[in-house]
Amino acid sequence: DAKTTQPPSMDCAEGRAANLPCNHSTISGNEYVYWYRQIHSQGPQYIIHGLKNNETNEMASLIITEDRKSSTLILPHATLRDTAVYYCIVTRPGGGNKLTFGTGTQLKVEL
Amino acid sequence: DTGVSQNPRHKITKRGQNVTFRCDPISEHNRLYWYRQTLGQGPEFLTYFQNEAQLEKSRLLSDRFSAERPKGSFSTLEIQRTEQGDSAMYLCASRPGTPTGELFFGEGSRLTVL
Repeated sequence: DAKTTQPPSMDCAEGRAANLPCNHSTISGNEYVYWYRQIHSQGPQYIIHGLKNNETNEMASLIITEDRKSSTLILPHATLRDTAVYYCIVTRPGGGNKLTFGTGTQLKVEL
Repeated sequence: DTGVSQNPRHKITKRGQNVTFRCDPISEHNRLYWYRQTLGQGPEFLTYFQNEAQLEKSRLLSDRFSAERPKGSFSTLEIQRTEQGDSAMYLCASRPGTPTGELFFGEGSRLTVL
């Protein structure tokens, strides 16, 4: 699986968009980008995933650059409950599809 | 609640004792995973099952650790002769057999070895 690089921490004002970047410059053609988050003392929670096209669901949007070497997770209207560690993971589908977590980005949403 | 269930949620034990954790996955999911998470780190993969077959084990899974999924439903993770370094959160996850299906995690079982 390709290595990912994320900033260790970010702050965001409540109600504003939170844009979380992820670099994955060694991604290969069949690898997907997944985002999970982990709220304190809970198990990780799936957010979204994509291959090359931008994706949107009820939680977030995923923007993947055309060369696929980086991506951004967008929480359009962050709330205090979005305070969590956000993990960007690159993996190929099939097989075990186990996830290799890094240390993620600690997002703190403040009033 | 039809999510992934883990028991016990917390376990305190003395060094040298054996402990067992149980995971009940989402019923239609045929893949089940165990992860370990220590403070400040992301979860680390330990092992996974497809139905009752254990298909991959991490080098982190020493011979003191054993995992089973006897009927392809619930799974157990046993740690024998616990050491203080085993103190961690043990997370279970499951997913359906689709190639890009996401993992659904349980709340975890926190182990403290004194």
